[in-house]
Amino acid sequence: GAVVSQHPSRVICKSGTSVKIECRSLDFQATTMFWYRQFPKKSLMLMATSNEGSKATYEQGVEKDKFLINHASLTLSTLTVTSAHPEDSSFYICSAPFRGTKNIQYFGAGTRLSVL
Amino acid sequence: GNSVTQMEGPVTLSEEAFLTINCTYTATGYPSLFWYVQYPGEGLQLLLKATKADDKGSNKGFEATYRKETTSFHLEKGSVQVSDSAVYFCALISNAGNMLTFGGGTRLMVKP
Repeated sequence: GAVVSQHPSRVICKSGTSVKIECRSLDFQATTMFWYRQFPKKSLMLMATSNEGSKATYEQGVEKDKFLINHASLTLSTLTVTSAHPEDSSFYICSAPFRGTKNIQYFGAGTRLSVL
Repeated sequence: GNSVTQMEGPVTLSEEAFLTINCTYTATGYPSLFWYVQYPGEGLQLLLKATKADDKGSNKGFEATYRKETTSFHLEKGSVQVSDSAVYFCALISNAGNMLTFGGGTRLMVKP
């Protein structure tokens, strides 16, 4: 079946550094991917829609300069958390819709970011 | 806009008990409805789905029926197992796009 790979699964970094998270669709092409953030014991918040070959669409309240999204190919989207701070610590999950299965989203395994 | 409301947890059950997790939604048109499960330390997995009214999604003993008249998609399982302990998210996609709207999640804890 369709698989979305997300890497790394866990990252610990120092405050002020940047962290890149990759989301790959392994056996299908995804012109659109979605990035979610999950706070502890909370639901998922859509951060942005990643569009292949064009700018990402950010949800209200999400800083586009803080969370850089690049969708350079039909199988890869990246989320870069720039100048990370402890409040950016969270669980980040990407998803991609699989064509041919109406509205089905496949999710990556998530990345747990801890900023010290 | 679209919204999904599900019962707050945690829900604590004994093994082999009957499970119901309520989910209601607000959406324009005819959304597709989903239940996702998140096991400890993992990402989300699609559990089941229904794309039109009166459809019943089922998987791994879980069931949910798309009830348009009550705008509900309650998750049920006749006999839960310890391995079902997880967080369950109800979600919808409107017929206008691909973005998922999630409920708040319900943590299920099953004790042996």
